[in-house]
Amino acid sequence: DTEVTQTPKHLVMGMTNKKSLKCEQHMGHRAMYWYKQKAKKPPELMFVYSYEKLSINESVPSRFSPECPNSSLLNLHLHALQPEDSALYLCASSRSGGGGVETQYFGPGTRLLVL
Amino acid sequence: DQQVKQNSPSLSVQEGRISILNCDYTNSMFDYFLWYKKYPAEGPTFLISISSIKDKNEDGRFTVFLNKSAKHLSLHIVPSQPGDSAVYFCAAFSNRDDKIIFGKGTRLHILP
Repeated sequence: DTEVTQTPKHLVMGMTNKKSLKCEQHMGHRAMYWYKQKAKKPPELMFVYSYEKLSINESVPSRFSPECPNSSLLNLHLHALQPEDSALYLCASSRSGGGGVETQYFGPGTRLLVL
Repeated sequence: DQQVKQNSPSLSVQEGRISILNCDYTNSMFDYFLWYKKYPAEGPTFLISISSIKDKNEDGRFTVFLNKSAKHLSLHIVPSQPGDSAVYFCAAFSNRDDKIIFGKGTRLHILP
């Protein structure tokens, strides 16, 4: 299994809603990432988990809350989002996330629309 | 089903020589092709792109070539420098889908 899966594919939510994005991989990778991608722009890194511990938080607002329940799963909890948070949210994984150069596998993304 | 394929997981090139990174795609409806560079523990950084109506785009040491009939593109880096050691992602963008599809990446090592 060489896939990163993400659910849901599409999500529409109001500014007062609470929702979660889910990401899963079964490649034995120990690093997982969340990216935000606006239209026609490259992905922007949000969070990095390495060995289930949050190692990088790129100054993301607290209305985005990541969670890594185990080495295969990564969640992104959303609460009180703003319309400008509408974007494609990409999950990725890599073998260890440590030193050295690693290939990173991307999921298909969740298209989020905040109304 | 992979729409964007980078068949070489890694590549080693001597410093000063040309690095050639290859990418194949299956969907003839892509509008743009992009190359990203990624260092460890960082997000991908946009490097260079090419429109599907062109066959070459050059920016400094980086040139991307597109062969639409073969559904193949390549990134040439010349001369290769130590700082070029990174993972390079090929990606394709469709205006209709508004989505960037990434390949799995090629790790480039520049040897001293």
